[in-house]
Amino acid sequence: GAVVSQHPSWVICKSGTSVKIECRSLDFQATTMFWYRQFPKQSLMLMATSNEGSKATYEQGVEKDKFLINHASLTLSTLTVTSAHPEDSSFYICSARDRTAGRTNTGELFFGEGSRLTVL
Amino acid sequence: RKEVEQDPGPFNVPEGATVAFNCTYSNSASQSFFWYRQDCRKEPKLLMSVYSSGNEDGRFTAQLNRASQYISLLIRDSKLSDSATYLCVVTPNTGGFKTIFGAGTRLFVKA
Repeated sequence: GAVVSQHPSWVICKSGTSVKIECRSLDFQATTMFWYRQFPKQSLMLMATSNEGSKATYEQGVEKDKFLINHASLTLSTLTVTSAHPEDSSFYICSARDRTAGRTNTGELFFGEGSRLTVL
Repeated sequence: RKEVEQDPGPFNVPEGATVAFNCTYSNSASQSFFWYRQDCRKEPKLLMSVYSSGNEDGRFTAQLNRASQYISLLIRDSKLSDSATYLCVVTPNTGGFKTIFGAGTRLFVKA
């Protein structure tokens, strides 16, 4: 099956620093990737939709200046948590859908392994 | 009302039991439906798609009732390895690829 790789898997940083998380589709091209956040014992919450070559679409309540998303190629999207604070500590997961699945929303979503961020 | 709602958990069942999960969605124009499984501290993985005619994959049966906007997942002969969180996933017909996740239902299968 298709593979989505996320890096790093774990990151611990000091408050005020910025952290970049990468999401790569390894064997398919993804025009669109998604970024989610999941707090303990809660469901995945969609943060933003990353569009290759254009601006990301953010969900209500998600600060675009706080969570910078760049989707420079069909296989790579990055999420940068700027000036991270302890409340940003969470499990961040990306997903992607093979662009050849078409624009019918019926394709399987492939998830990265997730990145666990701990801000001290 | 949440766009996708699932049975509150957790479900605690013995091995061999049959367990059913329910999910309702609010957007009647929703197009695609899936069940994903998520193990603790891991990413979600597709368990099965849900088709209008209902579909079965081994011990797992998924059903869709568009009139009632309701999806179900039935697990027969539960195994210890079935312990996980099961996520109901709906793709609304709003254009683009946005996908809505339910809060998930936690299943514990005990020996």
